[in-house]
Amino acid sequence: DIVMTQSPDSLSVSLGERATINCKSSQSLLYGSNNKNYLAWYQQKAGQPPRLLMHWASTRESGVPDRFSGSGSETDFTLTISNVQAEDVAVYYCQQYDNTPYTFGQGTRLEIK
Amino acid sequence: EVQLLQSGGGLVQPGGSLRLACVASGFTFSSHAMTWLRQPPGKPLEWVSLIYTDGATTFYADSVKGRFTISRDDSKNTLYLHMDRLRDDDTAVYYCARDGMVHTIWGLGTLVTVS
Repeated sequence: DIVMTQSPDSLSVSLGERATINCKSSQSLLYGSNNKNYLAWYQQKAGQPPRLLMHWASTRESGVPDRFSGSGSETDFTLTISNVQAEDVAVYYCQQYDNTPYTFGQGTRLEIK
Repeated sequence: EVQLLQSGGGLVQPGGSLRLACVASGFTFSSHAMTWLRQPPGKPLEWVSLIYTDGATTFYADSVKGRFTISRDDSKNTLYLHMDRLRDDDTAVYYCARDGMVHTIWGLGTLVTVS
């Protein structure tokens, strides 16, 4: 199985500052035939199901604010939240969908300082 | 409105069985692969099982293989997860989600407690 490792486990950021969450996979998620990385990012607020933020590592979902951005390739990926707002308090997960089982990272908890 | 309505959770003893259901509305259910995921209390998300539109192609996490069965009834727009030989570590909120790779539509989740 592909192991997904996120860092940090939690971070505290001031309103308006930038938050950076890293995700590392145990094998490359870049599929050569279409040059796409099979990596998604989800946001989960307390008591709610997850919300898809990003797929193909950097394609933002409709309705997701443009302060959220994804980057990276192969085994190293980053979710960046610029200008953090109070409503961004949540746990963020990366997930690979290259091979079943489609594994998740352990999550990164974002708090406001 | 596109939504997934879940039912079937509850308290069950170790070794027991339970069936979860997920009724889809607002989209063409038969055109989408469907997925079950779960989240133990205070823990990360875990992918559980996937079923393709043909109803015959299925995938399972190793932790549930041989105990859980995913199925679908396109005539009822319903996804199922039949869980046998339940264990304490199956305790979790179970979510159904649309599609096989990434999930834009999720159910609200149903709690399964094995105790």
